[in-house]
Amino acid sequence: AAGVIQSPRHLIKEKRETATLKCYPIPRHDTVYWYQQGPGQDPQFLISFYEKMQSDKGSIPDRFSAQQFSDYHSELNMSSLELGDSALYFCASAGEENTEAFFGQGTRLTVV
Amino acid sequence: SQELEQSPQSLIVQEGKNLTINCTSSKTLYGLYWYKQKYGEGLIFLMMLQKGGEEKSHEKITAKLDEKKQQSSLHITASQPSHAGIYLCGADNLYQAGTALIFGKGTTLSVSS
Repeated sequence: AAGVIQSPRHLIKEKRETATLKCYPIPRHDTVYWYQQGPGQDPQFLISFYEKMQSDKGSIPDRFSAQQFSDYHSELNMSSLELGDSALYFCASAGEENTEAFFGQGTRLTVV
Repeated sequence: SQELEQSPQSLIVQEGKNLTINCTSSKTLYGLYWYKQKYGEGLIFLMMLQKGGEEKSHEKITAKLDEKKQQSSLHITASQPSHAGIYLCGADNLYQAGTALIFGKGTTLSVSS
């Protein structure tokens, strides 16, 4: 069965650079969630989208922005990267029929 | 705000032994999810519980939500090395805007052969 696809899997950026993470949800899923998991931390909710509209906002810094496109894939744009942004970034998708969220493999971002 | 507390933080068991991981919520749970994570990898959905007293099983893993819907336990029978990883409980965050999940800090399970 198709799963949530995230790209890239690994990303190394320098401080003050920008990064774009992509998430392709499970087909027919219309809700996408973004989470950030720091080293040894539990995942923290950043932002979510439902039917291409932002549905909720968590602890997402102002330097980050995200959107969901017409094909339901989502991109997380991160600017002015800081060392503290180094983390695993997860995307999860959910559909109307199911209430559970299915997670992608994550993108490991390292800021040096 | 709602918080999830998991115990124990880490656990080392011998292969073949049973074990239990607990997840306690500061508020009533309306949806409780168990995920497994291998280090540096994605979260694998295990089970979802919604009703008080509900119990679900998948292979050798059983999860239960207590009647008051404030605690869930995950029980692994006859543990195997493949069970090793980080177990996270997540809950529907209905006490704040939206329906994103909040997570516990996780329980790291090691299984020695």
